[in-house]
Amino acid sequence: EVQLVESGGGLVQPGGSLRLSCAASGFTFSDHYMDWVRQAPGKGLEWVGRSRNKATSYTTEYAASVKDRFTISRDDSKNSVHLQMNSLKTEDTAVYYCAKYTGSVNGMDVWGQGTTVTVSS
Amino acid sequence: AIQMTQSPSSLSASVGDRVTITCRASQGIRNDLGWYQQKPGKAPKLLIYAASSLQSGVPSRFSGSGSGTDFTLTISSLQPEDFATYYCLQDYNYPYTFGRGTKLEIK
Repeated sequence: EVQLVESGGGLVQPGGSLRLSCAASGFTFSDHYMDWVRQAPGKGLEWVGRSRNKATSYTTEYAASVKDRFTISRDDSKNSVHLQMNSLKTEDTAVYYCAKYTGSVNGMDVWGQGTTVTVSS
Repeated sequence: AIQMTQSPSSLSASVGDRVTITCRASQGIRNDLGWYQQKPGKAPKLLIYAASSLQSGVPSRFSGSGSGTDFTLTISSLQPEDFATYYCLQDYNYPYTFGRGTKLEIK
């Protein structure tokens, strides 16, 4: 079964850091780009960033709202992707989803269940 | 960043109705657009990719059209399980951007 499972969410104070993880199974992880998408409470979806695969040198892309604060990394040997979040702000409070991007369908075709990050003092 | 203007923001309809949701991009994005469905408390689900291609396993009552700046998601005959929020997403260039969503409610 193709599956993504996020972990690492929690409560953190403004200015703090948190590292989210996404464990993948059921597909060849190293072949795929991986995305992070978030959803603030009661709000819409916001694309956060992307990690490309080894074939494209693991390069990354970010939304302007998180650039220079968030870093996406991956470990193909462990079928996992991570989102390191630094200098957190209250507006980063959201459910964070990881998603598998499949080039053949040009879309995010598998999603995790999400992990909740709350930034509050 | 490309802005995606989605309308309507909410829509009331009945089972069996035909409904249409639109997204307009602030610049041309070829056909680099997807449609996602999200139910409360759940992760989004890919319905349509490349503007008009139906994702595997998605019922054929869902269809997409458009190219350039104007796109449409149509549900030909609403079923009870279709009441959800729908989002468009442009994947033409970075940063990717979603529309603000359309909440489809039962009339």
